[in-house]
Amino acid sequence: RKEVEQDPGPFNVPEGATVAFNCTYSNSASQSFFWYRQDCRKEPKLLMSVYSSGNEDGRFTAQLNRASQYISLLIRDSKLSDSATYLCVVNGGSQGNLIFGKGTKLSVKP
Amino acid sequence: DAMVIQNPRYQVTQFGKPVTLSCSQTLNHNVMYWYQQKSSQAPKLLFHYYDKDFNNEADTPDNFQSRRPNTSFCFLDIRSPGLGDAAMYLCATSNGQLQTQYFGPGTRLLVL
Repeated sequence: RKEVEQDPGPFNVPEGATVAFNCTYSNSASQSFFWYRQDCRKEPKLLMSVYSSGNEDGRFTAQLNRASQYISLLIRDSKLSDSATYLCVVNGGSQGNLIFGKGTKLSVKP
Repeated sequence: DAMVIQNPRYQVTQFGKPVTLSCSQTLNHNVMYWYQQKSSQAPKLLFHYYDKDFNNEADTPDNFQSRRPNTSFCFLDIRSPGLGDAAMYLCATSNGQLQTQYFGPGTRLLVL
C-alpha cells in the first residue's frame, strides 16, 4: 500500500458543481494532515490543515477519519479559479516529514 | 512579501557541471527542506535541516549535497548533474517538524 494514495483524476466539473477528493494514508502514527493546492508549474501552497473534528473554510470542507486512515476534501460551488492539482499531505514517521500524495487534478469548466 | 525565496528561478547547466541552488527565508523557521519534483509526480524529499542537524533521506543520491550556513539560508549542490536530475527543486520551511511547510517558488533545472 502506498504511503499516501489519491485518485489522480482528472476531475472535469462545471462551474458551481460540488466535488469531493479522497485520500488514504498507510501510517497509523501520522499526526498532521494537510491539503495543499498546486497550480501548473508553481509551488504547492497550503489550502487547509485537517483537524480530527473536521474543519471548514468558506467553500472548502476537510474531514479526517483516523480509524479508516482516510482524509477528504469537499469543494462546493466550484469556481474556474479552483482548477489546480490538490495534494493530500500527511506527516508521519519518526522524523515527522511530510509525505505527499501524487495529487488529484481538478479542471473547472465554464 | 516573499517569505521563502529561491534563486535562480530557472537554471540551465551542462551534463556533469556542478550547480548550486539557493534558498532563503524571512520566517526564522528552524526547519528547512529540499524537494525534487518531476512532472506529474509528488514532491520527493531529498533532505532537511533541523537547525544545524542535517537529515538525509535514505534514497537521496550522493550527487546531492546541502549546506545551511545560518538560519536564513540553505543551499542545494548537485555535484555532477545528469539528464535525470532535470526537475523543479522546491525549498520549504517550517517551525517544527509537524507544522505546516511553506514553499518557495522553486528553481526549474534544465540539464543539457
